[in-house]
Amino acid sequence: DVKVTQSSRYLVKRTGEKVFLECVQDMDHENMFWYRQDPGLGLRLIYFSYDVKMKEKGDIPEGYSVSREKKERFSLILESASTNQTSMYLCASSLPGLASSRSEQFFGPGTRLTVL
Amino acid sequence: QKEVEQNSGPLSVPEGAIASLNCTYSDRGSQSFFWYRQYSGKSPELIMSIYSNGDKEDGRFTAQLNKASQYVSLLIRDSQPSDSATYLCAVTPGGYNKLIFGAGTRLAVHP
Repeated sequence: DVKVTQSSRYLVKRTGEKVFLECVQDMDHENMFWYRQDPGLGLRLIYFSYDVKMKEKGDIPEGYSVSREKKERFSLILESASTNQTSMYLCASSLPGLASSRSEQFFGPGTRLTVL
Repeated sequence: QKEVEQNSGPLSVPEGAIASLNCTYSDRGSQSFFWYRQYSGKSPELIMSIYSNGDKEDGRFTAQLNKASQYVSLLIRDSQPSDSATYLCAVTPGGYNKLIFGAGTRLAVHP
């Protein structure tokens, strides 16, 4: 079974702090994704990565950065946390390529971040 | 126009009934279609995938795809209270290995 883990289930930070959210997958997947999920807005893609040291902006990258130094690990960084970044953050991974089954994404348990 | 649209619900069905969830998408080049189930406070869990027109059955779940009409649906037979969750439709747009999600439909199955 694919296993995607995230460093924290719940996190409380203060405005202006630098926040690191880590995601690790154990299935040798090339693709990794970071989403945030807010009520009424659904899942929105922040950043994704096709390979080590590769990153692509998603739909809402402002205020975030990412790091992928190893294939299994994808980190989301909030450079200076703000209250509007309070959300559920979800990491996912998938195999590469456009073949249909390869675009199935598997999610981690999520991190509920509160910024005070 | 949103790329993937779902009725937010709640869709309320009695136990044992068939629940029908619908999703429309805007990109005609979309190639892969998925249904995820998400319980409150949990992360999405993949329950069905479909790639070609027609029906695909897996246990109590049937996914239906009609590319000409750009819709995909999920039927849940013999609905159980444990099926109460939000169901997310996700689509792979043409040429990209990423998913576009709908906002989800909340399903409530009452005894």
